[in-house]
Amino acid sequence: QLQLQESGPGLVKPSETLSLTCTVSGGSISSISYHWGWIRQPPGKGLEWIGDIYYTVSAYYNPSLESRVTISVDTSKNQFSLNLNSVTAADTAVYYCARDSTMAGLRAFDIWGRGTMVTVSS
Amino acid sequence: DIQMTQSPSSLSASIGDKVTITCRASQSISRYLNWYQQKPGKAPKLLIYGASSLQSGVPSRFSGSGSGTDFTLTISSLQPEDFATYYCQRSYSTPMYSFGQGTKLEI
Repeated sequence: QLQLQESGPGLVKPSETLSLTCTVSGGSISSISYHWGWIRQPPGKGLEWIGDIYYTVSAYYNPSLESRVTISVDTSKNQFSLNLNSVTAADTAVYYCARDSTMAGLRAFDIWGRGTMVTVSS
Repeated sequence: DIQMTQSPSSLSASIGDKVTITCRASQSISRYLNWYQQKPGKAPKLLIYGASSLQSGVPSRFSGSGSGTDFTLTISSLQPEDFATYYCQRSYSTPMYSFGQGTKLEI
């Protein structure tokens, strides 16, 4: 059964870069059937899509974050990563990684990691 | 950018009630609409994709309908484990997503 696990620092200083990794187990990240995405949720608030990556070919980003975000894939480690630079307190959130599947031509996040809390503070 | 608006933002109901949550898109999104359930401290769980397709393993008391700009999630008979926050999500053929603000369903 496919599982996703986020990892990375729980505390990041303002203006620095937030870096998280999602490890995929029980399946291959190289499958052409899936995209892999990041979603975040500030404390007490709703969900915000950050971006998606397809294999190592294409990345798609939320326009509101696009200037600060990079998502990449490491197929040798079966991992994908999120880098968000120039962070502020507004980037404090639980960060989730998720599998973006296509079912009958329709896309949805069908498998999620448990999430990791990242606080931006000096 | 396409905006997703859910209503109501919160809802009180009782065990056995039928509940309907609405999601409206600022422009037509055909049937590219998903519904998720989130419980406190947990990751969201996919319930419905493509506006009306039930995700594998999700109880049949959950159903979705709609197309274009107006969509609904219906729970036919509330169970104790259904009290949670529900989110709609716009999908598309290429990944460019947005979520509604959420509907908190309380006892």
